[in-house]
Amino acid sequence: NAGVMQNPRHLVRRRGQEARLRCSPMKGHSHVYWYRQLPEEGLKFMVYLQKENIIDESGMPKERFSAEFPKEGPSILRIQQVVRGDSAAYFCASSPSGRAIYEQYFGPGTRLTVT
Amino acid sequence: GESVGLHLPTLSVQEGDNSIINCAYSNSASDYFIWYKQESGKGPQFIIDIRSNMDKRQGQRVTVLLNKTVKHLSLQIAATQPGDSAVYFCAENWTGGGNKLTFGTGTQLKVEL
Repeated sequence: NAGVMQNPRHLVRRRGQEARLRCSPMKGHSHVYWYRQLPEEGLKFMVYLQKENIIDESGMPKERFSAEFPKEGPSILRIQQVVRGDSAAYFCASSPSGRAIYEQYFGPGTRLTVT
Repeated sequence: GESVGLHLPTLSVQEGDNSIINCAYSNSASDYFIWYKQESGKGPQFIIDIRSNMDKRQGQRVTVLLNKTVKHLSLQIAATQPGDSAVYFCAENWTGGGNKLTFGTGTQLKVEL
């Protein structure tokens, strides 16, 4: 049973470009969470989605960031017009339900570098 | 060896010694806590959890202690091994706050041979 998959693992973008980060949850999981980790800091919650629904986006910046989890396909975190401050590791976690916090399994992350 | 979390983000211990990693959490309403291990280039990996109605929980070689009075959490690793070298994060959750986890800054554990 494959774990949470994220791609790309490394992404380099110039300032002003768009970044698209993909997350494929574990098989049977319908809940996805995105976290951002700045260098030498803990993970910061961004957004929680179920299939076709955004449940909690309280950690998402108001501008340039969006997330979706379509009925088919991976969850996408999209960052428009990237700036250097967006450079970070972005982790996705998935869980089979919304009830069990401990069942959030993390992917390996996408390391975004903005030049 | 023992860390004080934010004040000592790196903990170095000798192989075979016990390690104690500390965490001061922020939300007095938090009722669920998890310790994660993050190796370089990887995502966090669940180690052990504890609910606020408990003050101690043991796993294989690991023990978590919770002191709600002072909002303090610790992770004890017995007989530390080189494979334990990683960054350790505590994370808290408040049932009324939804499913998001709030992570601490982390402590780097280095095991010396």
